[in-house]
Amino acid sequence: GAVVSQHPSWVICKSGTSVKIECRSLDFQATTMFWYRQFPKQSLMLMATSNEGSKATYEQGVEKDKFLINHASLTLSTLTVTSAHPEDSSFYICSANVGGSSTEAFFGQGTRLTVV
Amino acid sequence: QKEVEQNSGPLSVPEGAIASLNCTYSDRGSQSFFWYRQYSGKSPELIMSIYSNGDKEDGRFTAQLNKASQYVSLLIRDSQPSDSATYLCAVVNDYKLSFGAGTTVTVRA
Repeated sequence: GAVVSQHPSWVICKSGTSVKIECRSLDFQATTMFWYRQFPKQSLMLMATSNEGSKATYEQGVEKDKFLINHASLTLSTLTVTSAHPEDSSFYICSANVGGSSTEAFFGQGTRLTVV
Repeated sequence: QKEVEQNSGPLSVPEGAIASLNCTYSDRGSQSFFWYRQYSGKSPELIMSIYSNGDKEDGRFTAQLNKASQYVSLLIRDSQPSDSATYLCAVVNDYKLSFGAGTTVTVRA
């Protein structure tokens, strides 16, 4: 299947600092990428849809000023967690769909964020 | 509210048996359905997609879709210890994936 690479795989940061997570499509172009958050023992919750060359679309209840998304190229989307707090500690996962109208999503490896 | 419901787990099956997973969804307009496998601490891995009513087989996995009943299922035949994972049902709504809570399967050797 298609390869989506996410970096870093884990990060520990101090409360109040910002963390950037990268999501790359390695062998295909992705005009749209998706960012999810998963808390322990829970399912994936969509945070936002990242659109190349335009603003991201955030799901209800997700603070766009706290979770900054940039999709500057067809192969790269970044999620920056600003002023992180312990409650932001979670597993963040990105995904991308292969093909223009395909709805099959391939996921990055995920990033385990721990805010101390 | 668009929802995806999965049968509660955990599900424990002996090695070689069939594991049966069920999923219902609320949006009658949904057209694309997926099963993902997620190992602990890892991201989801796509194992099956199904778009039409009926059965779709891929190796030891069979997905079944019944749009009239808004029901999707996954059968894992000849279960192996490596199949032990959480299985997520996902449904496309407005080009976005909605996930069920997942069913954790444990295959006993």
